[in-house]
Amino acid sequence: QSVLTQPPSVSGAPGQRVTISCTGSSSNIGAGYDVHWYQQLPGAAPKTLIFRNGNRPSGVPDRFSGSKSGTSASLVITGLQVEDEADYYCQSYDTSLRRVFGGGTKLTVL
Amino acid sequence: EVQLVESGGGLVQPGRSLRLSCAASGFNLEDYAMQWVRQAPGKGLEWVSGIAWNSGVKVYADSVKGRFTISRDNAKSFLYLDMTNVKVEDTGLYFCAKDPEFQLREGSWFVSWGQGTLVIVSS
Repeated sequence: QSVLTQPPSVSGAPGQRVTISCTGSSSNIGAGYDVHWYQQLPGAAPKTLIFRNGNRPSGVPDRFSGSKSGTSASLVITGLQVEDEADYYCQSYDTSLRRVFGGGTKLTVL
Repeated sequence: EVQLVESGGGLVQPGRSLRLSCAASGFNLEDYAMQWVRQAPGKGLEWVSGIAWNSGVKVYADSVKGRFTISRDNAKSFLYLDMTNVKVEDTGLYFCAKDPEFQLREGSWFVSWGQGTLVIVSS
């Protein structure tokens, strides 16, 4: 059981908008620690998608956005594309466990 | 261009030892804290260990504390993970990752990732 909870799967049609949630607690996200998001394409290494809640590294399309509120965070993908089909992980810091990940969410583009 | 290339994985029996290496290029390793993250087959990501720029601070996940040792050689641009008394549950793809700065900061993230090296613990 992961410290950060993500839905196991989400899906959407090309062009649609999807949201992936990441729910934590008072010892991690709720304690004020930043949330970061990673995209892992099939058979590839993870890639940083969002850092410090809502910042995109250069090269990441603005279709990807992140936000944080209270003990939760969200990754929003707009204008869904076939190549967005991947696993997505949130990551934060926990006062007991140090760096922690969500269990991952598999995005299927229908 | 930042490149991280892991090596040293393979098949190892439970209770034995293994050393993983990560060759860093395209940046000055001495300027950054570094991390190891692993992924069991078909499972999610798990942070394993981190080390500050000068090896002054090393941190470990509870699951590996006392068995794994992280180290670095800035002059040679290498990061290492010494794994001892390995267990079946240590099986997975081990990634090295670069932090955004030299210190280990609590709220920090993994800026760049290698492709990983596969460790299989089995008798």
